[in-house]
Amino acid sequence: DTAVSQTPKYLVTQMGNDKSIKCEQNLGHDTMYWYKQDSKKFLKIMFSYNNKELIINETVPNRFSPKSPDKAHLNLHINSLELGDSAVYFCASSRSEGYGYTFGSGTRLTVV
Amino acid sequence: AQKITQTQPGMFVQEKEAVTLDCTYDTSDQSYGLFWYKQPSSGEMIFLIYQGSYDEQNATEGRYSLNFQKARKSANLVISASQLGDSAMYFCAMSLNTGNQFYFGTGTSLTVIP
Repeated sequence: DTAVSQTPKYLVTQMGNDKSIKCEQNLGHDTMYWYKQDSKKFLKIMFSYNNKELIINETVPNRFSPKSPDKAHLNLHINSLELGDSAVYFCASSRSEGYGYTFGSGTRLTVV
Repeated sequence: AQKITQTQPGMFVQEKEAVTLDCTYDTSDQSYGLFWYKQPSSGEMIFLIYQGSYDEQNATEGRYSLNFQKARKSANLVISASQLGDSAMYFCAMSLNTGNQFYFGTGTSLTVIP
């Protein structure tokens, strides 16, 4: 069974479109995250949710909106996609104590 | 401020030899965790090894060991008997109990040469 699953794995879309990436974890973890990995492989946190509540919201454009319907899901919705949004987006989860993350397989977003 | 530093952007190692990937960290917290992740070309992030700040012994997981030197604030990853499948990006990371967040290094690209 996949512990943290993200869909889709690949997403190619045109500038200006709105898209969503879904994430689900079946580990019973309390905290979920979205990270962006740029072309230089640098991982930068975007959002962190603990028990459906936003606890970290780094400086990202407000075109990015996380949605957590329950503690097992954290979806990422992106409005008005721009070329610079092209990256790999990783969902992750952890126990609330801050133990190691379990990552999803990543979503490679390409904006054309 | 940069909390995790990986100074080796790229490393090469001969198959079957050992290699050390460097990682230094910066925190004033007493309680923290140090991790290494592997990212192969397929893109997924794979957990390798964990070291708690209070652990007295260095962590080991199969061919991976973490050389933890607390006074130097270093947490180097040692891979013994390198295999071709070890070619990947390796990320050092730190978790702090405050703030519930991970800090990642910039990664080291390891290439194993046959």
